Amino acid sequence: DVKVTQSSRYLVKRTGEKVFLECVQDMDHENMFWYRQDPGLGLRLIYFSYDVKMKEKGDIPEGYSVSREKKERFSLILESASTNQTSMYLCASSLSGIYSNQPQHFGDGTRLSIL
Amino acid sequence: EDQVTQSPEALRLQEGESSSLNCSYTVSGLRGLFWYRQDPGKGPEFLFTLYSAGEEKEKERLKATLTKKESFLHITAPKPEDSATYLCAVQAILTMENNDMRFGAGTRLTVKP
Repeated sequence: DVKVTQSSRYLVKRTGEKVFLECVQDMDHENMFWYRQDPGLGLRLIYFSYDVKMKEKGDIPEGYSVSREKKERFSLILESASTNQTSMYLCASSLSGIYSNQPQHFGDGTRLSIL
Repeated sequence: EDQVTQSPEALRLQEGESSSLNCSYTVSGLRGLFWYRQDPGKGPEFLFTLYSAGEEKEKERLKATLTKKESFLHITAPKPEDSATYLCAVQAILTMENNDMRFGAGTRLTVKP
């Protein structure tokens, strides 16, 4: 079974802090994704990566950056946290290439509160 | 622009009362349509992938169907443990190999005993 592990289930930070969210997958997937999920808005893509050191902006990249130094690990960085970044953050991974119509597999999320 | 609309937003059923959830989509060529289940405080759990109109997939009390404009998730004789939010997502054929998906806002299903 695919396992996507997010480092924290709950996190509380203060406005202006730099925040790191970590995600690790164990299935050797090429693609990794970061979403945020808010009531009534569904899942919105922040950034994704299709290879080590590669990254692409999603729909709402403002205020975020990402890092992918190793294939299995994808980090989301809030450069200067603001209260409107309080949300549930979900990491996902999937196969690429000829398997690119395969589903994404998700971690259990990090519920982040910015005070 | 690719769009995914799910209805209803919320659905309350009695145990054993069958029903259907709808996912309407607009996409520039469908590569795949995906159904997920999400329990409170957890990440989405993959259920089905449908690739072409007319295709059907089943798993226990769930059956997913696909037409050129929409997908239905039929729930037969639901049980309380089927209570969850069900998400639909589409992938367009013109996306790169990055497997980008568009998600609907979900249907929150509650099954009362």
